[in-house]
Amino acid sequence: EDKVVQSPLSLVVHEGDTVTLNCSYEVTNFRSLLWYKQEKKAPTFLFMLTSSGIEKKSGRLSSILDKKELFSILNITATQTGDSAVYLCAVNSGGSNYKLTFGKGTLLTVNP
Amino acid sequence: GAVVSQHPSWVICKSGTSVKIECRSLDFQATTMFWYRQFPKQSLMLMATSNEGSKATYEQGVEKDKFLINHASLTLSTLTVTSAHPEDSSFYICSALAGGNQPQHFGDGTRLSIL
Repeated sequence: EDKVVQSPLSLVVHEGDTVTLNCSYEVTNFRSLLWYKQEKKAPTFLFMLTSSGIEKKSGRLSSILDKKELFSILNITATQTGDSAVYLCAVNSGGSNYKLTFGKGTLLTVNP
Repeated sequence: GAVVSQHPSWVICKSGTSVKIECRSLDFQATTMFWYRQFPKQSLMLMATSNEGSKATYEQGVEKDKFLINHASLTLSTLTVTSAHPEDSSFYICSALAGGNQPQHFGDGTRLSIL
């Protein structure tokens, strides 16, 4: 059975701090790993990673994948209160229907 | 781009009512749509995968006669919760996929409360 494990489950930081969120996985036939941000409604897409060692960056957020060690990290620098959300990691493990297996998420709270 | 619209956003109804939720891809054609359920402080649990013009594929433990899925066009999928009961109360979210190497894009979800 495919498994995606995120850590920590929750994290409280102050504005300006840098955070690193972790995602490890055990899946058959890995295709891609995705990060989403979920606030009050449904998840919004952040990154999709398919290759090891290539950092993807968007503003203060960046992510990288290690396919040998089966994990990914999501970094957020100079955090702001608007970064408070649940960050979800999901893995597409192939097959004809491209379905995702989600981790439980990391709840990030950024205090002013 | 990649906007997915889900409607309604909130439903409150009596036990025994059937509820239909719509999921539309607004600016792309979705070969595949997915329906998820999310309980408070839990992650997304896939209920079913819906391909245009064919029967949905349900995950283990999901009753297909209870959760009817129709994917009649490349931009619309519907989920009908039949004879809903309080235990069906949850947050239902759809997502749409434009192609195999693309990320899934999510609708805003539907909060269903059955009294």
